[in-house]
Amino acid sequence: DAGVIQSPRHEVTEMGQEVTLRCKPISGHDYLFWYRQTMMRGLELLIYFNNNVPIDDSGMPEDRFSAKMPNASFSTLKIQPSEPRDSAVYFCASSPTGTVFSGELFFGEGSRLTVL
Amino acid sequence: QQPVQSPQAVILREGEDAVINCSSSKALYSVHWYRQKHGEAPVFLMILLKGGEQMRHEKISASFNEKKQQSSLYLTASQLSYSGTYFCGTEGAGGNTPLVFGKGTRLSVIA
Repeated sequence: DAGVIQSPRHEVTEMGQEVTLRCKPISGHDYLFWYRQTMMRGLELLIYFNNNVPIDDSGMPEDRFSAKMPNASFSTLKIQPSEPRDSAVYFCASSPTGTVFSGELFFGEGSRLTVL
Repeated sequence: QQPVQSPQAVILREGEDAVINCSSSKALYSVHWYRQKHGEAPVFLMILLKGGEQMRHEKISASFNEKKQQSSLYLTASQLSYSGTYFCGTEGAGGNTPLVFGKGTRLSVIA
């Protein structure tokens, strides 16, 4: 079975540009999480969805960040406008219902974002 | 609140043992451990639940002291393949909350 699929794997952009990161969770997983990883802060939860509905977006750093999940097989994380401090690796993870908080998170390979 | 991991980094020779600690200032329901190899996604190792038993993954085991809000990961007879960054993720006392991860412990095993 395919795991969590993220794209792009690498993105280099200039400050002020819009960035869109994409995620396809594992089929049948009802929970989807977006994490950001930096050396300074480690893995931070940005937002998570249950059945395509955003449940908690308190980790989204600013209004420049937005996330959507239009259907069960696709989610996007958008940064507009991007800033150099947004440079990080962004991970998407999914989890099946019933074990979401007491079981395994399945991570994608991440999208490494560099904002110049 | 982010759990605190210690040490931040450790270097071992093959066959040596190591302990990684994870401490929280809040009551916990569960502690999860993940390992991330360089340039890859974090991979689940094990979960320790409140009131549960010590868990094991190959030669890696872990314990959870609920009263002290601490968990320890024990790596026995380390192998080169154990190299990576180990993260603990904690779930609050009420349960049903997303994991909050520590900053990680970088483990390097050398021949």
